[in-house]
Order: sequence, then C-alpha cells, then structure tokens
Amino acid sequence: AQSVTQLGSHVSVSEGALVLLRCNYSSSVPPYLFWYVQYPNQGLQLLLKYTSAATLVKGINGFEAEFKKSETSFHLTKPSAHMSDAAEYFCAVSGPQGGSEKLVFGKGTKLTVNP
Amino acid sequence: DGGITQSPKYLFRKEGQNVTLSCEQNLNHDAMYWYRQDPGQGLRLIYYSQIVNDFQKGDIAEGYSVSREKKESFPLTVTSAQKNPTAFYLCASRMGEVGYGYTFGSGTRLTVV
Repeated sequence: AQSVTQLGSHVSVSEGALVLLRCNYSSSVPPYLFWYVQYPNQGLQLLLKYTSAATLVKGINGFEAEFKKSETSFHLTKPSAHMSDAAEYFCAVSGPQGGSEKLVFGKGTKLTVNP
Repeated sequence: DGGITQSPKYLFRKEGQNVTLSCEQNLNHDAMYWYRQDPGQGLRLIYYSQIVNDFQKGDIAEGYSVSREKKESFPLTVTSAQKNPTAFYLCASRMGEVGYGYTFGSGTRLTVV
C-alpha cells in the first residue's frame, strides 16, 4: 500500500525566510503527488500537483515542489514566507493512471510564520 | 459557482444518537469521498463512492454509513456504534481520473455532548 511521510509535524520560520516542508512517499511506480493547504476550520485547497509531466511543479501563492524519484521525495518550498502562509500543509499520493482511485494523505505539517 | 457544500458547519450529538452530515456538489463529479480529521492524524478515509448506488469502505468505516442515491449527494451518517465521533469531517469529490486531485468542502465539526 502506498504511504506518505511528512517530516516534522510543526515548522516555524521567520517572515521572509525560506519555507521547506518535507514529503516522502513509498511507491514502486512514480505516483501522482499533491500538496494541499488547510486554514483553520476550513477544507483543503490544492496548492500543486505532480502528474509525471515536469519534475519541478509550480503552484499557487509562490509555492513549488520538486519530484525526485531517486529520493522518493516531493518537498514543498517557497523562497520567502509571508504571514498569510501560516496554515497546515498536507502531502498526498495516489497511483498512476489506471491505478488506485484514492488519495492517501500524510499527517500534515503545521507552518508557523513569525514576524 | 460550482463547489461542494457541507452542512451543518457545526453539529452536536448526544450519546447514543445517530446524526447525518450532508455533502452536496454541483461540479458533476463522479467520485465522492468522506474523510475524518483528528489533530496530528491527518485525513483518514471513511467511505468513498465512484458511481451512483455504489460505495466502498475506507480505512475507518466502522460506526459510519453512507448512501449515494444521486450523483450530487453523498450523506454520511455517524451511528451510535461510533464510539469516538468527535472530529472534523471533510467531504471531497473528484473529476475524471485521480490525477486531477480532489475538491474539498469546508467541513463539518461534530462534537459529542
């Protein structure tokens, strides 16, 4: 079964600093990978997704993620954190075309941005 | 605008009661999902449905039931058999194959009183 590991349940950065949220997946075949953001008491919003086109994926709000097959990773980055980035971030994985119809989510990383 | 509507936003349940959480979408999506979210545990799949009149159990289906009589609607009933129902419940839907990702509703927070 596929799984996702997000390293660090809490990450704290200063405003203007680099944001790096880590995600590793377990899959023998390159999967579909997603990053979602959740603000308090709200649903999840899609930030970006990898579907085997480009390994560097750009998303909304200045976020991007790089798919590295050799490291089975899909880390999320943003060059300069903004106060509005404070939220919880979830990495998710699913099978390739014709594979699993379900997304499996990591446990989430809560990002705090300090002024 | 198209989207997913979950209602109510807050729900309180007494011990031994069944409650039903509503999820309606006007996106014409075929697949719909229910997830449960607890602090520090991420999202856990309760039930999902890929077509009308068909649904499958997820990882934590015990104590829950669903129906899918219409494409637009996928209600979740939390039964009295669910011993720890206090959580945030999220409904999602998907267009086409899984690479498109999910669209989520805004959630229902259920509390046992």
